Amino acid sequence: NAGVTQTPKFRVLKTGQSMTLLCAQDMNHEYMYWYRQDPGMGLRLIHYSVGEGTTAKGEVPDGYNVSRLKKQNFLLGLESAAPSQTSVYFCASSETQGGIYEQYFGPGTRLTVT
Amino acid sequence: AQTVTQSQPEMSVQEAETVTLSCTYDTSENNYYLFWYKQPPSRQMILVIRQEAYKQQNATENRFSVNFQKAAKSFSLKISDSQLGDTAMYFCAFMKRRGGSEKLVFGKGTKLTVNP
Repeated sequence: NAGVTQTPKFRVLKTGQSMTLLCAQDMNHEYMYWYRQDPGMGLRLIHYSVGEGTTAKGEVPDGYNVSRLKKQNFLLGLESAAPSQTSVYFCASSETQGGIYEQYFGPGTRLTVT
Repeated sequence: AQTVTQSQPEMSVQEAETVTLSCTYDTSENNYYLFWYKQPPSRQMILVIRQEAYKQQNATENRFSVNFQKAAKSFSLKISDSQLGDTAMYFCAFMKRRGGSEKLVFGKGTKLTVNP
């Protein structure tokens, strides 16, 4: 049981390049989330999904797209990277059946855009 | 919109002593959850403790306990018998208890250093 995994762990992009971050969970959770963490800030929600085939915007969605084609995977895409997207990205998943409401986090991806 | 405020950017404590981290939040909701997450240098987010707003009893988990004051919208974390491994960033977080998304709103964090 690996929990929540993220690929890659580190990445450096040039401005204008694109990339996709992959999040995978093996806990059969319905809900998945993408957050970003910047220095001096807590985590801020980018996009989330409440089930396979669904996505919704969070607090800071601009410049990102997401897809949830399979229940266990949640992809975060940057179509044209900007230096302002330099951040640490966290994926999380949760199962709210039975009132648990706990989010399990992946190890994070450190992205630098030059 | 909900907001979470952690007024102490940094704190330090001597090993084996007790420290309290502060958190206040603003919401018009009546049903919600509050959390404390720990982020050590490894960067992994680890749930420390959870409090359900409808429960009056303060949550405890071993050396960690909270002081939940619903009317004051305050949710402080007390760490007893501090250990070197408690050195980390600590984030307070709020979640509305309503079906649909269960999104977390985080404070900016408190950096705790436990000194030997």
